[in-house]
Amino acid sequence: DAGVIQSPRHEVTEMGQEVTLRCKPISGHNSLFWYRQTMMRGLELLIYFNNNVPIDDSGMPEDRFSAKMPNASFSTLKIQPSEPRDSAVYFCASSLRASGANVLTFGAGSRLTVL
Amino acid sequence: QKEVEQDPGPLSVPEGAIVSLNCTYSNSAFQYFMWYRQYSRKGPELLMYTYSSGNKEDGRFTAQVDKSSKYISLFIRDSQPSDSATYLCAMTISGYSTLTFGKGTMLLVSP
Repeated sequence: DAGVIQSPRHEVTEMGQEVTLRCKPISGHNSLFWYRQTMMRGLELLIYFNNNVPIDDSGMPEDRFSAKMPNASFSTLKIQPSEPRDSAVYFCASSLRASGANVLTFGAGSRLTVL
Repeated sequence: QKEVEQDPGPLSVPEGAIVSLNCTYSNSAFQYFMWYRQYSRKGPELLMYTYSSGNKEDGRFTAQVDKSSKYISLFIRDSQPSDSATYLCAMTISGYSTLTFGKGTMLLVSP
């Protein structure tokens, strides 16, 4: 398996522009997570899906952020309009949710810079 | 008080040293404790995890959990320059719960 695949790896955009980040989870995993990582705040959970259904989006900072998972093999995180404070590394992770430890496999991340 | 506390470092050690990385937590309901390693400009990858209290060993790495003190540790023996990375602790109540991460400790192992 190729692991969790994220695109783009780097995105530089101007304030006010729409940004779309994409994620392909590991085949067979039933949970998908979007995290944001900054030096100040570390890894923050934005939203997670279970069987393609959003379960908890309480970490989404504001209405400018939205996430979708139209099928088991694809998810998007959209920021519209983007602001400089959104600059961070965004990680997608997937897991097979079951009893026992919820072991997450992370993608390589999408580094976003909003000018 | 944050739910999981971790010293950000950096922690600098010479090659061959024994490294101790630690986290404290406040939620006594946590049952599963994990250590992730994150190389620069990469995603975190799972190193090892333990359930409840006790020790777990995997090669040069040993994870320890002391639930009575709400304190977990990761020991690295015979540290190598390739161990230079940020180490994040994470914990959860069950396989159906989300992970709570520490901010990570940056480790630098010099040759």
